[in-house]
Amino acid sequence: EADIYQTPRYLVIGTGKKITLECSQTMGHDKMYWYQQDPGMELHLIHYSYGVNSTEKGDLSSESTVSRIRTEHFPLTLESARPSHTSQYLCASSDPREQFFGPGTRLTVL
Amino acid sequence: QKEVEQDPGPLSVPEGAIVSLNCTYSNSAFQYFMWYRQYSRKGPELLMYTYSSGNKEDGRFTAQVDKSSKYISLFIRDSQPSDSATYLCAMTRSITGANNLFFGTGTRLTVIP
Repeated sequence: EADIYQTPRYLVIGTGKKITLECSQTMGHDKMYWYQQDPGMELHLIHYSYGVNSTEKGDLSSESTVSRIRTEHFPLTLESARPSHTSQYLCASSDPREQFFGPGTRLTVL
Repeated sequence: QKEVEQDPGPLSVPEGAIVSLNCTYSNSAFQYFMWYRQYSRKGPELLMYTYSSGNKEDGRFTAQVDKSSKYISLFIRDSQPSDSATYLCAMTRSITGANNLFFGTGTRLTVIP
């Protein structure tokens, strides 16, 4: 089983709140990713990082931001949550061949 | 046009059946093809990984890639209730540039005891 963790697993929050979704991995991987997954839709990459102090936006535009101050930690922040941010957020890290996914955070913004 | 097309199902089969899951794609530059399995309330996990065309077998699972038709398949033999999950295909041009991994929408499979 992959050693990649996400907290919280479920979050229900009101519009306008600032939230941070946590992601940590203990495998020492340099590459980390955030995906958005909605029912019936393909996974969309919203952010990725190739190492400390490296962050890039993915193919799906997102109002979220990320940081990578430590190799093992890749948090995602929404400054002001909106109902359109309701989704499943998956964090992943990779070795040269495989991406390992965390269990996801299901976010609901009321 | 989407890069990867996958029938979302859902697909229900009796235990012991042979299951065939498929994806088509449009980008001929894809070289690496993967199948992920995602159980409910979990993240996807890599099930099969294939480079270029051909077949790969792992126990009850067989992955096939036909690059000439831009078509990939996953076969599950002697399906078990524990195989009930969503199966996502994924593909990329370069395995080192994993930021360009393209996923299908996933097919939800239920194996009925």
